[in-house]
Amino acid sequence: GAVVSQHPSWVICKSGTSVKIECRSLDFQATTMFWYRQFPKQSLMLMATSNEGSKATYEQGVEKDKFLINHASLTLSTLTVTSAHPEDSSFYICSARAGLAGGRTDTQYFGPGTRLTVL
Amino acid sequence: GQNIDQPTEMTATEGAIVQINCTYQTSGFNGLFWYQQHAGEAPTFLSYNVLDGLEEKGRFSSFLSRSKGYSYLLLKELQMKDSASYLCAVSRDRGSTLGRLYFGRGTQLTVWP
Repeated sequence: GAVVSQHPSWVICKSGTSVKIECRSLDFQATTMFWYRQFPKQSLMLMATSNEGSKATYEQGVEKDKFLINHASLTLSTLTVTSAHPEDSSFYICSARAGLAGGRTDTQYFGPGTRLTVL
Repeated sequence: GQNIDQPTEMTATEGAIVQINCTYQTSGFNGLFWYQQHAGEAPTFLSYNVLDGLEEKGRFSSFLSRSKGYSYLLLKELQMKDSASYLCAVSRDRGSTLGRLYFGRGTQLTVWP
């Protein structure tokens, strides 16, 4: 259980184009999803928290107009990188919160990630 | 803000025991997670500690001391497949629905035969 998928798994695009990445919870409903970015040999950096039916909460330093997040349903959140540039090339990973057995604080389950390369 | 520190690399041999340390300084604390991440793949959940003490789960155990801002992940009977990056993450949002996680850089563990 607690499977999260992402699509696409990789994408190559030209500078200036926009790229949409989908994150789906396959066997559970997730009111909250998270978007991270990971550069090579670096930690996962939280970009934003996506709440179903409301605006996303962005971390300090993350441009909300550049990284558009939509959480239209309890199983789907999308991240759109607008006007992508080479410095946006990174590994983008989403996660979704699911309850742990025993009622302890929720655990995040991660998608397989999307490798974005901007030429 | 938060500072989460863990060693960059560690090596060990098959069958051995290895301890990966993590120290943190954070405003607000609502638990500490350990995740395993193989190269190019998503992190997978290993353990969660919110109270002081040791949590054991098979070959993996995790320890937390909140007063010292310190945790460790203990891996026993190491296997080659345990070669991966181990990520320490802190949850800050006590009493909140956000549940955001903040990660350390990860410790790359290499297990030799």
